[in-house]
Amino acid sequence: KAGVTQTPRYLIKTRGQQVTLSCSPISGHRSVSWYQQTPGQGLQFLFEYFSETQRNKGNFPGRFSGRQFSNSRSEMNVSTLELGDSALYLCASSRTGGPTSGNTIYFGEGSWLTVV
Amino acid sequence: GQQVMQIPQYQHVQEGEDFTTYCNSSTTLSNIQWYKQRPGGHPVFLIQLVKSGEVKKQKRLTFQFGEAKKNSSLHITATQTTDVGTYFCAGPQGGSEKLVFGKGMKLTVNP
Repeated sequence: KAGVTQTPRYLIKTRGQQVTLSCSPISGHRSVSWYQQTPGQGLQFLFEYFSETQRNKGNFPGRFSGRQFSNSRSEMNVSTLELGDSALYLCASSRTGGPTSGNTIYFGEGSWLTVV
Repeated sequence: GQQVMQIPQYQHVQEGEDFTTYCNSSTTLSNIQWYKQRPGGHPVFLIQLVKSGEVKKQKRLTFQFGEAKKNSSLHITATQTTDVGTYFCAGPQGGSEKLVFGKGMKLTVNP
């Protein structure tokens, strides 16, 4: 079956702009989480959605937001982009719960965002 | 907050060598997971350990969860060039579904 699909794969934005990234989870998976990966900070949790509700949130400013649709697809939005937002944004899906529930999470290939 | 530390951060080995990398959490974990990320790729789930003292093997990879469920190790025997990549350990934070990742251990192999 198809894996986690993220679009776009690569994008370049200018400081101050906003960006929306999309994620389609594996069919049947209802939990979607987002991570930011940078060389300096590593993999950092952004937020997790289940049944259209945000269940968990990481320590990122309010410029980072997300949502989940009834078909489990998810989007994340970053407003007023800063240079430091340049990163690989990874989406991951799991069946019902997340890692605490013992569920395996599957990552997509990510969206490479460069802010200039 | 919860921290997960991995040592070493970098490991360069000769093909055929064995090595071990370690993961330590500041808090007790309900489970620990290991991921591998190839250069330019995305993290791929390797394994999950749940029980205290649990040991699991995947071919040349041996994973162990500490008795106190605060640390874990990954041992690779007879390293091959296909093992190149960054290995991450991660544990859930508290009772949430938030995974806290270590900074990773980047492995390079000299053929």
